[in-house]
Amino acid sequence: AQSVTQLGSHVSVSEGALVLLRCNYSSSVPPYLFWYVQYPNQGLQLLLKYTTGATLVKGINGFEAEFKKSETSFHLTKPSAHMSDAAEYFCAVSPLNTGGFKTIFGAGTRLFVKA
Amino acid sequence: DTAVSQTPKYLVTQMGNDKSIKCEQNLGHDTMYWYKQDSKKFLKIMFSYNNKELIINETVPNRFSPKSPDKAHLNLHINSLELGDSAVYFCASSPTGTAEYEQYFGPGTRLTVT
Repeated sequence: AQSVTQLGSHVSVSEGALVLLRCNYSSSVPPYLFWYVQYPNQGLQLLLKYTTGATLVKGINGFEAEFKKSETSFHLTKPSAHMSDAAEYFCAVSPLNTGGFKTIFGAGTRLFVKA
Repeated sequence: DTAVSQTPKYLVTQMGNDKSIKCEQNLGHDTMYWYKQDSKKFLKIMFSYNNKELIINETVPNRFSPKSPDKAHLNLHINSLELGDSAVYFCASSPTGTAEYEQYFGPGTRLTVT
């Protein structure tokens, strides 16, 4: 079965520092890959996604992620953290053989940004 | 206009009661979902509907019964509520049942069972 592993349930960075949130998936066939962000007391919203084509994907709010098939990874980065980036981040995969009806989410990583 | 809306936002009720959560999307999407997010923020799919037809039922107790009167609405009825049902329930939608499309989430309904 497909699974998604996010390394680190909590990540803390200083404002202005690099943000790196890790995501690995298990699949013999690369699925479609997503990063979502959840601000407190809100629903999830899409940050970025990888379907096909360029493996470096740019998203909203300065975030980007790189799909590495050989490492089955899709890590999320941002060069310089801002206080407003503090939120819960979810990596998700949508296996090609489920028609998009079953997206599997990682356990989430809570990002703390220190002033 | 809110793309995916849910009512109510908060629901506090006692064990054994029956309650419903309503979801509406105005995006013209074909596919809708219900997710449960527990206290540790773990998000799990419960149901997927495509064009009012149930596609995915992820071993959810049959006390939970989704209903889709039309493509824009997906309601969740819960019978005989238990303490373990306390969670945040999210409705979501996507354009169609194709894996490349992202999902649009509602604001969530926080259910507390006492």
